[in-house]
Amino acid sequence: DSGVTQTPKHLITATGQRVTLRCSPRSGDLSVYWYQQSLDQGLQFLIQYYNGEERAKGNILERFSAQQFPDLHSELNLSSLELGDSALYFCASSVDRVLSPLHFGNGTRLTVT
Amino acid sequence: SQQGEEDPQALSIQEGENATMNCSYKTSINNLQWYRQNSGRGLVHLILIRSNEREKHSGRLRVTLDTSKKSSSLLITASRAADTASYFCATDTSGSRLTFGEGTQLTVNP
Repeated sequence: DSGVTQTPKHLITATGQRVTLRCSPRSGDLSVYWYQQSLDQGLQFLIQYYNGEERAKGNILERFSAQQFPDLHSELNLSSLELGDSALYFCASSVDRVLSPLHFGNGTRLTVT
Repeated sequence: SQQGEEDPQALSIQEGENATMNCSYKTSINNLQWYRQNSGRGLVHLILIRSNEREKHSGRLRVTLDTSKKSSSLLITASRAADTASYFCATDTSGSRLTFGEGTQLTVNP
């Protein structure tokens, strides 16, 4: 058990809808990362937060947004969903900077129909 | 495109054999990490090697890093069926993100 909790585990929704994915980092970790894993694109970095502040941004679409709250949990909001957004979304946490190993949750599997 | 590229894409071996996976990357790195992913699960960190290190061991795992060739290898000795998983290398280039390769699917047959 990595100590990182992601909810929900599965999500099925229709195109055009909006969903929120939730992540609780491992106790003591200040950094939260979001990754998207799909069959054709592999594991893509979306965004990183450190202690509530956005620290790095990857290939995150404008339809997607995230935040990290004072209690360090994070949410990833996906809106105007398209079929191509179907993927596994992982949250990971680390103690500090990325030199530290990442601890991954078991992901949220999003299916857009 | 991915920073790291694993080779081979898939590897099938018998229990007890050694498994070697390679990773090549394009730009200078601060460190390189290897992760394992069982089907449909989250990635699990295996080992981290810094850019000034050449070799690192952890149990049955041995990782080498050649920064002149921009490559790394992961060796799993005396493999077991439970080692069946996808293995990813990940590079830290900017100090703010890890970039993952596309992975090697390892199958260990009992």
